[in-house]
Amino acid sequence: DTAVSQTPKYLVTQMGNDKSIKCEQNLGHDTMYWYKQDSKKFLKIMFSYNNKELIINETVPNRFSPKSPDKAHLNLHINSLELGDSAVYFCASSQGLQIYGYTFGSGTRLTVV
Amino acid sequence: SQQGEEDPQALSIQEGENATMNCSYKTSINNLQWYRQNSGRGLVHLILIRSNEREKHSGRLRVTLDTSKKSSSLLITASRAADTASYFCATAHTGANSKLTFGKGITLSVRP
Repeated sequence: DTAVSQTPKYLVTQMGNDKSIKCEQNLGHDTMYWYKQDSKKFLKIMFSYNNKELIINETVPNRFSPKSPDKAHLNLHINSLELGDSAVYFCASSQGLQIYGYTFGSGTRLTVV
Repeated sequence: SQQGEEDPQALSIQEGENATMNCSYKTSINNLQWYRQNSGRGLVHLILIRSNEREKHSGRLRVTLDTSKKSSSLLITASRAADTASYFCATAHTGANSKLTFGKGITLSVRP
């Protein structure tokens, strides 16, 4: 059983399109995250939700909108995609607001052409 | 920036040798964690060391933390080709509302 699963694994789309990435965890964790990894492997946090409540919203364009329908799911919707959005997006989860190890999904490689 | 910085950026060793990777950070932490990322995969949590701990072991991994120098090291003993991956340190900072801040990673190549 995959602990943190993301779909799709690959996403190729044209500039200006709107796309969504889905994430689900079956670990019973109550905190979920979205990270962006650029071509130099630098990981930067985008959002964090705890029990469906947004607790971290880094400086991310408002074209990116996270949605957490329940604590097991955290989706990411991106409007008006730009070339610079091309990256690998990782979902992760952890237990509680105290920091323990994160469990990461396998990533979604987004390519905007 | 609170970002941790690892060094070296890349490390190439022979199978059986030990690999040592270092991480430095700038502000107070609650804990520091090391992760591994195999090519094209997600990150895997390896080990966590709390700010009041100085050393921790897990199998072939040994992590040290020196809060006075704001630095940590990860030692992988008796390396294997399967240890080839990128390694990241991540810091949980005091008052940072649960987020981890990752360094840029170290690329480790273990030659068979």
